[in-house]
Amino acid sequence: SYELTQPPSVSVSPGQTARITCSGDALPKQYAYWYQQKPGQAPVVVIYEDSERPSGIPERFSGSSSGTTVTLTISGVQAEDEADYYCQSADSSGTYRVFGGGTKLTVL
Amino acid sequence: QVQLQQWGAGLLRASETLSLNCAVYGGSFSGYYWSWIRQPPGKGLEWIGEIIPSGSTNYNPSLKSRVTISADTSKNQLSLKLSSVTAADTAVYYCARGDLCSRNSCQLDHWGQGTLVTVSS
Repeated sequence: SYELTQPPSVSVSPGQTARITCSGDALPKQYAYWYQQKPGQAPVVVIYEDSERPSGIPERFSGSSSGTTVTLTISGVQAEDEADYYCQSADSSGTYRVFGGGTKLTVL
Repeated sequence: QVQLQQWGAGLLRASETLSLNCAVYGGSFSGYYWSWIRQPPGKGLEWIGEIIPSGSTNYNPSLKSRVTISADTSKNQLSLKLSSVTAADTAVYYCARGDLCSRNSCQLDHWGQGTLVTVSS
């Protein structure tokens, strides 16, 4: 079955830049989405179609794609950004969707 | 303001069938993709499946033999049934709306509140 691979954890100090990667063989042909989830809450989309930011999401959130890896970048990290982040995409045939294992972002 | 309201049994015994519903308020039901996602306690998100505007369904291959997703467009409701549950199916279950769909995926822009389903053995 198709998998998306994320690092389990990323730690940064306030004001620094956090980068969370997501790797998968089908990413060159399928869009990636990024979701932020805080404890006890439903996920919220922060990036769609690799690099688009929904309305209401701060400009410090950005996304990029290169080959089989997509990256979520949070510039000028704030304490409120501490959360779990999940990438999501589709398998190469587009038949089903997959979430990455999630990355816990810790703001030191 | 679109809201998704979920309900269903929260405690099941092994081998029973999980049944959850999700009602959509404040927005159209037609024209969107509707998904179910689950999250075991302390673990990551798992996509269960979706129903698309044509009425067709797509399921996670690992659950396909046990899952049925359906929709009642007259009631703006989405349903999930998962048969023969085991303790491994214990999770928070979410419904979600898919919008801006392209290249085989959608932005899941509205989510239900989540329903914890516990399966006892």
